[in-house]
Amino acid sequence: AQSVTQLGSHVSVSEGALVLLRCNYSSSVPPYLFWYVQYPNQGLQLLLKYTSAATLVKGINGFEAEFKKSETSFHLTKPSAHMSDAAEYFCAVSELGVNQFYFGTGTSLTVIP
Amino acid sequence: DAGVIQSPRHEVTEMGQEVTLRCKPISGHNSLFWYRQTMMRGLELLIYFNNNVPIDDSGMPEDRFSAKMPNASFSTLKIQPSEPRDSAVYFCASSLGAGNQPQHFGDGTRLSIL
Repeated sequence: AQSVTQLGSHVSVSEGALVLLRCNYSSSVPPYLFWYVQYPNQGLQLLLKYTSAATLVKGINGFEAEFKKSETSFHLTKPSAHMSDAAEYFCAVSELGVNQFYFGTGTSLTVIP
Repeated sequence: DAGVIQSPRHEVTEMGQEVTLRCKPISGHNSLFWYRQTMMRGLELLIYFNNNVPIDDSGMPEDRFSAKMPNASFSTLKIQPSEPRDSAVYFCASSLGAGNQPQHFGDGTRLSIL
């Protein structure tokens, strides 16, 4: 069975500081991993995805994530936080041939001026 | 390109009334998903379709909930009768139907049952 754990339901960083949002997954087969962002009153938007190519994945808005099989992790990072990054972030896992995504419980990012 | 389109964006109705939520997936996508999001329970998958056929409806909370996909470009989620605990944001998403393809979400319908 697949699952995702997002450590830290709330993360606060200062503007300009490093953003690190944690995601650990459980999967019995090679996973596909995704990060989504949700702004208030909007749907989830795809930030980036890992589908077994390069382990370091670059996404939109300066975000990137690294797939680490040995640690079963797919943490999301951004070198310098911007006020506009304040949002809810979701990690999700799936596998080839399975349509269903398993989403984490989300991490709310607050950026302090 | 048009994304996933949901209507209405907001719905306020009284308990006991029938509610119908609508979704138009991205053209060419063959999988469609209905989710519900609440503060207490987070994001829950209610049901998903592949090629217009319901594949997994184990997330549908009760018989009061039903979903249909009569063709590749339209789906409905119906609640009858509605209850206050059904108040939530309901999202529709579509994808190309393989695990390595992302799901694309609509902006949701914010449902309030009084």
